[in-house]
Amino acid sequence: AIRMTQSPSSLSASTGDRVTITCRASQGISSYLAWYQQKPGKAPKLLIYAASTLQSGVPSRFSGSGSGTDFTLTISCLQSEDFATYYCQQYYSYPRTFGQGTKLEIK
Amino acid sequence: QVQLVESGGGVVQPGGSLRLSCAASGFTFSSYGMHWVRQAPGKGLEWVAFIRYDGSNKYYADSVKGRFTISRDNSKNTLYLQMNSLRAEDTAVYYCAKDWGDGGGYYYYMDVWGKGTTVTVSS
Repeated sequence: AIRMTQSPSSLSASTGDRVTITCRASQGISSYLAWYQQKPGKAPKLLIYAASTLQSGVPSRFSGSGSGTDFTLTISCLQSEDFATYYCQQYYSYPRTFGQGTKLEIK
Repeated sequence: QVQLVESGGGVVQPGGSLRLSCAASGFTFSSYGMHWVRQAPGKGLEWVAFIRYDGSNKYYADSVKGRFTISRDNSKNTLYLQMNSLRAEDTAVYYCAKDWGDGGGYYYYMDVWGKGTTVTVSS
């Protein structure tokens, strides 16, 4: 199985900050990577697919980049509603695997 | 709009069985692959199983292989997860999720998720 490793596991930031979350795959996955946002008690929400394509309706302050084994999710100007947990997930092979999550907290 | 509604969760003793359902609406269910994903309390997301749009191909996580069975009834627009030999570590919220693309493609992400149903395995 492909292992997905996110860093950091948690992150404190303030509204208006720019933050970057990293996701590394244990083997190359081309651009078959998605990012999800999850708020407490809610289902995950798709933010980005194909490593860098923004899902419809997702604010443009979210962006993704990378290919192969190294990927990043960047939020350019944090808003209050962005404080949540973020997961990367590869869809290159089965079993599908997720990163362990990055909890973004208010500083 | 596209909607997925899970049901069937509850409290079950270790070694017991439970069947989860996921009712789909707002899209042509019979054209899309479907997944189950779970989340243990306070933990991250764990992919559980996938079934192709026509039921012809299925994949499972090693942690549930041989105990869980994914199936679907396209005439009822419903996805199922039969869970047998349940263990305490199967305690989680179980989500169903839809593949983005239709027609059985392999490289599809999950674009729509249900709200989940809670399974608790405890004596």
